[in-house]
Amino acid sequence: KAGVTQTPRYLIKTRGQQVTLSCSPISGHRSVSWYQQTPGQGLQFLFEYFSETQRNKGNFPGRFSGRQFSNSRSEMNVSTLELGDSALYLCASSQGTGGTEAFFGQGTRLTVV
Amino acid sequence: GENVEQHPSTLSVQEGDSAVIKCTYSDSASNYFPWYKQELGKRPQLIIDIRSNVGEKKDQRIAVTLNKTAKHFSLHITETQPEDSAVYFCAASGGGTALIFGKGTTLSVSS
Repeated sequence: KAGVTQTPRYLIKTRGQQVTLSCSPISGHRSVSWYQQTPGQGLQFLFEYFSETQRNKGNFPGRFSGRQFSNSRSEMNVSTLELGDSALYLCASSQGTGGTEAFFGQGTRLTVV
Repeated sequence: GENVEQHPSTLSVQEGDSAVIKCTYSDSASNYFPWYKQELGKRPQLIIDIRSNVGEKKDQRIAVTLNKTAKHFSLHITETQPEDSAVYFCAASGGGTALIFGKGTTLSVSS
């Protein structure tokens, strides 16, 4: 079974631009969650999608948004990029019910210059 | 919302010693507590988890304990080996699949 796939692996963007990251979950998994990882703040929850609906949202500004498609693939978008948005963005997929293992992708390394 | 505190932030042990990492959570509705290990440059991987209806769970050299009353849970690694060196994250979840993570513990095992 293929694992969680994130594209692209690396991105360099300029302040003010916007970016879209993609996550393909494990086949059969209906839930995708997104996390921002930085050295100072660790892993911070961004949002969670289940069956195309946002089920939960973390404490991030409205510049961060996401969506999930009918095939469970998910995208997240960051508009008006700031230097502080530089981070590793990880997505995790799971079957969708609480208390089940979340499998992480390898992440997208975003650098904002 | 949920808040997870993790201690210590760094931990250095000799090979063969035990290591203990502790976490506390704030939301009494949380009912799922996984632990992830992240090696340098790699993705986080689940090493053990526990649900709120269980007080302790063990898998070979790794064990997790949960005290619902005190809202804290701990990871115990016995007979540590150099390959146990990594960053360990605890997390809590109250429903759905969103995980709220602690800030991580960097474990160094020297031989």
